[in-house]
Amino acid sequence: NAGVMQNPRHLVRRRGQEARLRCSPMKGHSHVYWYRQLPEEGLKFMVYLQKENIIDESGMPKERFSAEFPKEGPSILRIQQVVRGDSAAYFCASSPLVPGLGTDTQYFGPGTRLTVL
Amino acid sequence: LAKTTQPISMDSYEGQEVNITCSHNNIATNDYITWYQQFPSQGPRFIIQGYKTKVTNEVASLFIPADRKSSTLSLPRVSLSDTAVYYCLVGDGNSGNTPLVFGKGTRLSVIA
Repeated sequence: NAGVMQNPRHLVRRRGQEARLRCSPMKGHSHVYWYRQLPEEGLKFMVYLQKENIIDESGMPKERFSAEFPKEGPSILRIQQVVRGDSAAYFCASSPLVPGLGTDTQYFGPGTRLTVL
Repeated sequence: LAKTTQPISMDSYEGQEVNITCSHNNIATNDYITWYQQFPSQGPRFIIQGYKTKVTNEVASLFIPADRKSSTLSLPRVSLSDTAVYYCLVGDGNSGNTPLVFGKGTRLSVIA
């Protein structure tokens, strides 16, 4: 059973370009979360999605950022007109419909490191 | 979600037992305590979760006193590969489908 997959692992963009980050959840998982991590900081929640629905986007900036989780295919985090402050590691996590207590509620991918020049 | 407080960093020699304490004074009745481990350039990985008293698995033990206002993650006989950041999280364990709230964690450095 493959874990959460993210690509690309590293992404370099110039200011003003668009960045697209992809996340494929674990098989059987229908919940996807995106987190952002700045250097020396903990992860900060951005958005929580189920298939074709955004459940909670309270942590996502109102402008330039969007996320989707289509019926088919990976979840996409899209950042338009990137700025240097968007440079960070972006992690995706997935969880099953009914997680068990005492177990991992969210499984994390390896992350995408975005560098904005 | 309850706020947590952990030491910023800790150092330990190989083979020693390491105890990392986390304070969560405002923990709610439904909240569970979960610890994650993060290696450089990787996503966090679940270590252990508990509600009260003691929980042990193949990786670590978690001690939770009766008032549940703190918890201690115990790593027996650490090795160099245990060098990582350890995060203490508090949240409603009955619902896994809620965003996790991470603090800055404790950076553990294991020295040979």
